[in-house]
Amino acid sequence: EVQLVQSGAEVKQPGESLKISCQASGYSFTSDWIGWVRQMPGKGLEWMGIIYPGDSITRYSPSFQGQVTISVDLSISTAYLQWSSLKASDTAMFYCARFNNAWYVVDWGQGTLVTVSS
Amino acid sequence: ESVLTQSPATLSLSPGERATLSCRVSQSVSSYLAWYQQKPGQAPRLLIYDASNRATGIPARFSGSGFGTDFTLTISSLEPEDFAVYYCQQRSIWPPTFGPGTKVEIK
Repeated sequence: EVQLVQSGAEVKQPGESLKISCQASGYSFTSDWIGWVRQMPGKGLEWMGIIYPGDSITRYSPSFQGQVTISVDLSISTAYLQWSSLKASDTAMFYCARFNNAWYVVDWGQGTLVTVSS
Repeated sequence: ESVLTQSPATLSLSPGERATLSCRVSQSVSSYLAWYQQKPGQAPRLLIYDASNRATGIPARFSGSGFGTDFTLTISSLEPEDFAVYYCQQRSIWPPTFGPGTKVEIK
């Protein structure tokens, strides 16, 4: 059974940095794209970016390019999403997602709620 | 970037009724469109991929159709657990994008 287990909710202040995680199990971590989807409060889904752990090729949606960094640690089958300087507008639920080769999401994490407030 | 429009925004129906949801794309995406269901407080789940293929474990009452720019998700007879928000997503044009969603609510 595929599982994507995300790190817990975070409350941060504007300007702080943050790295959230997603530990994968139940499949070959290096063989499928993994990435992140944002859902702002009461809003729809936004495709942020993906990484192929096998070679670390990373692709970002233009809306998120330069705003976040996606990375992986192969030794612990974990993907990360990080910010260097959070803004209040980063407040959202972030879902880790496993993508098939067609870039559809076939498995989802439980979500990590990030709240940025002064 | 490809823009997806979903209609209606809200669909009010009773259990047992047929639901027809529409997704229109600003550019042709061939058949490269998926549908997801999201219930309150839950992560979404994949229902349909490549316009008409049901994902693993998805009941036969869910069906998808369409090609190019116009797509439809049909739920043949609504079950109580089907009341949720439905999103379409294209993967043909970079970046992949989601539609704004259609909420199917109990009438």
